Amino acid sequence: QQQVKQSPQSLIVQKGGIPIINCAYENTAFDYFPWYQQFPGKGPALLIAIRPDVSEKKEGRFTISFNKSAKQFSLHIMDSQPGDSATYFCAAKKGFNTGTASKLTFGTGTRLQVTL
Amino acid sequence: DAGVTQSPTHLIKTRGQQVTLRCSPKSGHDTVSWYQQALGQGPQFIFQYYEEEERQRGNFPDRFSGHQFPNYSSELNVNALLLGDSALYLCASSFSLYEQYFGPGTRLTVT
Repeated sequence: QQQVKQSPQSLIVQKGGIPIINCAYENTAFDYFPWYQQFPGKGPALLIAIRPDVSEKKEGRFTISFNKSAKQFSLHIMDSQPGDSATYFCAAKKGFNTGTASKLTFGTGTRLQVTL
Repeated sequence: DAGVTQSPTHLIKTRGQQVTLRCSPKSGHDTVSWYQQALGQGPQFIFQYYEEEERQRGNFPDRFSGHQFPNYSSELNVNALLLGDSALYLCASSFSLYEQYFGPGTRLTVT
């Protein structure tokens, strides 16, 4: 049972382009949505996260858009650079507000390649 | 400030053997979660430890067990290794329920 669906599986953009990665979730109890960046042979690194009480969050060149009614959220990378080439994972978590134990449920990942 | 550290970096074991992986959380963090990441897949939650107790568990068999020590460090033990256990094992630490920060992982190969 895949609770977080991520697309596309892979993406190639030119330098300066704006890759967009989409995720959809099923469980309305999720209340925290982080994005992670992973380089080959490394652990995932937290990029940016959003709570469902806001529709957009920006940190540097990274922006999350959140649509609570559609149960979808997406990552936009502005002015993409070759150094952004990595695998990106969306994730979801519940219990942020309730103080209960909570695991991260990950999407299947998007392999991004930024070409010169 | 050291981040999450894991040891060993790589490990090769034979089917049927047992393995122990170790994790030291980021300074100030009290919660450790373990994930298994198969090649080309997203991390899958194994279990989470808080105050030396297993607080939540994913869909993994009892062959997977863990421990958290008073200094918040943690171990993951896997018994009776199967070929399918070959994966990158990730440890993530957090302060209580907040953001989880991942270590570099331990690459386990079962032959």
